Amino acid sequence: EAQVTQNPRYLITVTGKKLTVTCSQNMNHEYMSWYRQDPGLGLRQIYYSMNVEVTDKGDVPEGYKVSRKEKRNFPLILESPSPNQTSLYFCASRSGSTGELFFGEGSRLTVL
Amino acid sequence: QKEVEQDPGPLSVPEGAIVSLNCTYSNSAFQYFMWYRQYSRKGPELLMYTYSSGNKEDGRFTAQVDKSSKYISLFIRDSQPSDSATYLCATEGGGGTYKYIFGTGTRLKVLA
Repeated sequence: EAQVTQNPRYLITVTGKKLTVTCSQNMNHEYMSWYRQDPGLGLRQIYYSMNVEVTDKGDVPEGYKVSRKEKRNFPLILESPSPNQTSLYFCASRSGSTGELFFGEGSRLTVL
Repeated sequence: QKEVEQDPGPLSVPEGAIVSLNCTYSNSAFQYFMWYRQYSRKGPELLMYTYSSGNKEDGRFTAQVDKSSKYISLFIRDSQPSDSATYLCATEGGGGTYKYIFGTGTRLKVLA
């Protein structure tokens, strides 16, 4: 089954404790991206990657890092999480043939 | 001014009603327009994808783009309780960057 898998789905952590949210897709898509979704603000792009070893900032990159060492994986790293990073995070990959974005099920992060 | 504006709702309608969901956008260069549906605790999934102006129909759903007024619409005929979800309009910025800009979403509830 074609899918984007994120882990963990739910996480509560404390300020300053580094964490990584993993994302993996099995559709051989070149383009992957991370979004955060907040009430009243909608989906905002954090980082995106056009291909392996190619990443770039989206609209709200501050406080986040990403890496793309393999085509299927695109982890999101919060080096020193802060409470304003409490949010619902989505990873997505893009079909090169149709332009459709496929989203993961989301990772709800709470930073205390 | 946000690049894509969408009324957040919530919108409650009786089963069988025709639903009209709308968005406006600011950049006349946008060419690709999408509607995503997001059920509670799930990631968004593509519902409709249109290019430039005109209508596109898929079963009970019709997407309409009016580039002259920068207005995009989604019509749902014979609405069902299973249509209860948040609907996100989106556009792709073009230019090969695959930058997707999302509206904040309209929450729809169809009452049985």
